[in-house]
Order: sequence, then structure tokens, then C-alpha cells
Amino acid sequence: DTGVSQDPRHKITKRGQNVTFRCDPISEHNRLYWYRQTLGQGPEFLTYFQNEAQLEKSRLLSDRFSAERPKGSFSTLEIQRTEQGDSAMYLCASSLAGTGGISPLHFGNGTRLTVT
Amino acid sequence: GNSVTQMEGPVTLSEEAFLTINCTYTATGYPSLFWYVQYPGEGLQLLLKATKADDKGSNKGFEATYRKETTSFHLEKGSVQVSDSAVYFCALSERSGNTGKLIFGQGTTLQVKP
Repeated sequence: DTGVSQDPRHKITKRGQNVTFRCDPISEHNRLYWYRQTLGQGPEFLTYFQNEAQLEKSRLLSDRFSAERPKGSFSTLEIQRTEQGDSAMYLCASSLAGTGGISPLHFGNGTRLTVT
Repeated sequence: GNSVTQMEGPVTLSEEAFLTINCTYTATGYPSLFWYVQYPGEGLQLLLKATKADDKGSNKGFEATYRKETTSFHLEKGSVQVSDSAVYFCALSERSGNTGKLIFGQGTTLQVKP
């Protein structure tokens, strides 16, 4: 179990630029979740996948945000035309869903985005 | 909608003091409840969980009991250590829809002084 890996750890970008983050889940996990966390707040759900299918998107996920999990393994989260309000920690988590239920979510260390 | 409310922080205690961090929830169904901990510079880690009423989750000396009648899941530890300094998040997972997604409280910062 190598844990959930996120890349990069930090990203500084100028307003209006596009950014892409990557998440590698625990290998046997079929579910992958994206969350956003701002300073002093708890993580907020953005979207999740089961295998390659994106099953739910939060209202927080504006049209500028898109997430993919093309082969049911790693996932990418892209933010287009970044705004200063997008500055946050972006967290990825994975879990295993099966007939026995859903395992607890395992989180990565996050990607901290700063938009200047 | 479903939500989680935690006590305001920061909580500052001396080593070996008793800890309580209050957590209450609102849910339309019958959720599973969790406590996650975030140490400085690290990601969220599962601390403990409970899946049904009166279940007690425990780990590393921390405990929390699922109280359906008071919709609460308070975190307790009998004797805190400096190494327990972290941010603690209470969370629920809805059973309906089988999504597994978590709804978090705002977090409570614990600082333990030697």
C-alpha cells in the first residue's frame, strides 16, 4: 500500500492560466474522490469516480473545472482560466467499493494552488 | 441537507489533560460517522469510525460513541500528548446512494503544551 499520491504538491499560477493536477489512488481502489479545502475549513466534496465513470459532481464544480479518470486508475483535475478564488488545497482520496460496502476514504497530501 | 458541526477552536490543553471535541450532525438518513486527523504538513488520516447507533470507535487512545438520540459523535481522550497537536475533523457518510462521499465539519485545532 503506497498510499494516495498527488502531484504537484504546490502550484503557483497567474490568474487566467490553466492548471492540471494529478492523483494516483491506491492501486486496488475503484473509487476516487476530489475535494477542495480552504484555510480554516473542512474539505468540500467536488466529484467522484467509480472506475472510469464520473458518478457525481458538486454544484461547487463550475464549468471551468473538469475531472477525468480515463482508464480507471489515475485521475486529473483541470481548472481553466483560474481565478483568485480558486486558491485552495485540492485533495484526492480513494476507496474500495464492493458488495461488502465501502472502505473508508484514504487521502493524499493534496496539491496547494495559489492564484496570483 | 446533511451537515456536521464541530466546536470552535483552537483548543489549548496541557499535556495529560482530558480532551473533548464536540461534534453534532444533521442527516436525513442513518449515516456512518468518522473522525479524521490532519497533522501539520500531512494529509488527512482516518482516526476512528462508527457505523451504527451506540457503536464506539477507538484508536490511539481516542474514543467516540455514535449517539443517535443526540445526533452526536464527540471525540474524547483521557490524557493528551504534545504529539496529538493537530486539526481534527468530524465527518459523516450518507448511506443512501452508496456514494461513500464524506461531509466534513470545519475542523477543530488542538494544541497541546508540555
